[in-house]
Formats: sequence, C-alpha cells, structure tokens
Amino acid sequence: GENVEQHPSTLSVQEGDSAVIKCTYSDSASNYFPWYKQELGKRPQLIIDIRSNVGEKKDQRIAVTLNKTAKHFSLHITETQPEDSAVYFCAASTRTAGNTPLVFGKGTRLSVIA
Amino acid sequence: KAGVTQTPRYLIKTRGQQVTLSCSPISGHRSVSWYQQTPGQGLQFLFEYFSETQRNKGNFPGRFSGRQFSNSRSEMNVSTLELGDSALYLCASSFLSGGVNEQFFGPGTRLTVL
Repeated sequence: GENVEQHPSTLSVQEGDSAVIKCTYSDSASNYFPWYKQELGKRPQLIIDIRSNVGEKKDQRIAVTLNKTAKHFSLHITETQPEDSAVYFCAASTRTAGNTPLVFGKGTRLSVIA
Repeated sequence: KAGVTQTPRYLIKTRGQQVTLSCSPISGHRSVSWYQQTPGQGLQFLFEYFSETQRNKGNFPGRFSGRQFSNSRSEMNVSTLELGDSALYLCASSFLSGGVNEQFFGPGTRLTVL
C-alpha cells in the first residue's frame, strides 16, 4: 500500500521568511495530494491540494509543487506570519475504480517566530 | 451548513472496557472516514463508510469496528480497550467515497484509557 514520508518533523522560521515542507510517496498510482493544517486544539482543515495532471498550484502565500517522476511534492509558504504556526500534514490517495483512502504523513510542526 | 460533529468530546475508560464514538457528517455527505491521531504518528486511517457499506479498512485489529446508518451518521466501537488506544479519534465526511476530495473533519473525541 501507499506510504507517505514527511520532512522535517519540526520547522522554525522567522516571521516573513519562507517555509518548505517536503513529502515523498511510494505508490506511483497516487494522483491526489492534499495538504491539511491543524492549529493547536483544532481540527485539520484543507489548505490546498493538487492533482497529478498539474505540476504546481498557488493560492496567495501558499503553493504546492508535484514531481511525479521523483514521487515527491512540497508545500511552500511565503512571507510567513505567526498565524501560520500549526501542524501541517501532507497526504496522498488514488482515484481509480475503487478510490483509496487518504494516507497521511506524520506531520510537520511549523513555528513562526515574531 | 452545519459542520461535522462528534460525541462525546472526551472519554475516560479503563482497560478491558469497550467504547462507542459517534460522528454526524455534513448534510448531504455520504462518506465518513475515521482516523486515529497520536503524537508523532499523524493521522492513521481506520475505516471508511459510504452509503452504509464499509469501503476501505486500515491496518487496525478487529477490536476496532464501525457502522453507518441510513442518515449517514456513523459510529465506531473499540472493544477490550488497551492503554495504547488512548488517542484523539477524528472522523471526516466527504461527498465522494475515498480520499479523492476534500475531507471535512470533526472536532474529535479524546479517549483516555487508564
């Protein structure tokens, strides 16, 4: 089955700097890659996702890139702000005749230092 | 639309007991997935129900079971509780089956096994 590795497990950046979180996946059939943000004590929420027919997707200060050949995808946050501090999870799944469940990475705790 | 709700929010049980958790999805969503969240392990998939049928199952022992009712509400049951079952249990609803579209998470049930 699918296995998703996420790095780093913790990341500290100065406010205004960029943050990058990387994930690799094992199943070449995976074609849907969402990112979820979980603030302390809150539920995970989708912040951005990308499908395999797209190499990059942006939404204001966040972007996700996908390299299907290398089987890795990354989350980029620019001009970080204190409210970006949270745990971020990447995930992967396959949209086939029998949709597979999301497999999550173990998370990255991002701290933005003011 | 009202969000995903879970009851109870907190539970304390002792080893050997059993527990039932409940999840009410967003109106119109027929898929409910359950996840176990523990520190350092991220979100681990338990199972998914869609239109009252189990569609996918994760790698958890048979002590973990679930069901879904005709109104899409879902319950999960853990029998013969072990200390290692202490975790935050999250459910997520989505319109389609599988992990290929946005999952909307509930607030979770915090289970403590003593």
